[in-house]
Amino acid sequence: AQSVAQPEDQVNVAEGNPLTVKCTYSVSGNPYLFWYVQYPNRGLQFLLKYITGDNLVKGSYGFEAEFNKSQTSFHLKKPSALVSDSALYFCAVRAYNFNKFYFGSGTKLNVKP
Amino acid sequence: NAGVTQTPKFQVLKTGQSMTLQCAQDMNHEYMSWYRQDPGMGLRLIHYSVGAGITDQGEVPNGYNVSRSTTEDFPLRLLSAAPSQTSVYFCASSYISQTPSHEYFGPGTRLTVT
Repeated sequence: AQSVAQPEDQVNVAEGNPLTVKCTYSVSGNPYLFWYVQYPNRGLQFLLKYITGDNLVKGSYGFEAEFNKSQTSFHLKKPSALVSDSALYFCAVRAYNFNKFYFGSGTKLNVKP
Repeated sequence: NAGVTQTPKFQVLKTGQSMTLQCAQDMNHEYMSWYRQDPGMGLRLIHYSVGAGITDQGEVPNGYNVSRSTTEDFPLRLLSAAPSQTSVYFCASSYISQTPSHEYFGPGTRLTVT
């Protein structure tokens, strides 16, 4: 069975500090991994994805994510948080031979000035 | 490109009423899907389609029907609305042939069933 877990409902960080939003997954075979961001009353926006190759993936707005196969994790990171990064973040996985996407429950990121 | 469009943006229904949420995409994506978003539950897949004439159930299909007569359109029908269907509904689409593509999301429909 495919699944995604985001263990933290909420992450609080001060502006300028590094941030990490955690994601672990379970999938049969090689995974395709995605991060999305959702601002209030908006649809989800794609941030970045891991397909294959380098374990560190860079995406939009200065975000990056690190794929760790042994820990089945795909944590979202940013070296210096901005207040404008405050939003809801979703991790998603898709197995290479399946079409469906599986989403985590979301993590609310609060960046305080 | 307009991307993924959804109508209406807001809807209030009475219990037992039926309605159709519209979704369209202009990117020639093979894959289309419907999710509902509830607080603390993340996104749950209702139905999905891998092409015209092909649909399948997701995680929470009960009370919903879909059809895919064209590549562009993927309407979601609520047969007899219940208060438990109060939610925000998102339509999404992506390529299959150009795997692995991420999903493109519509702006959502906020549905309240009283």
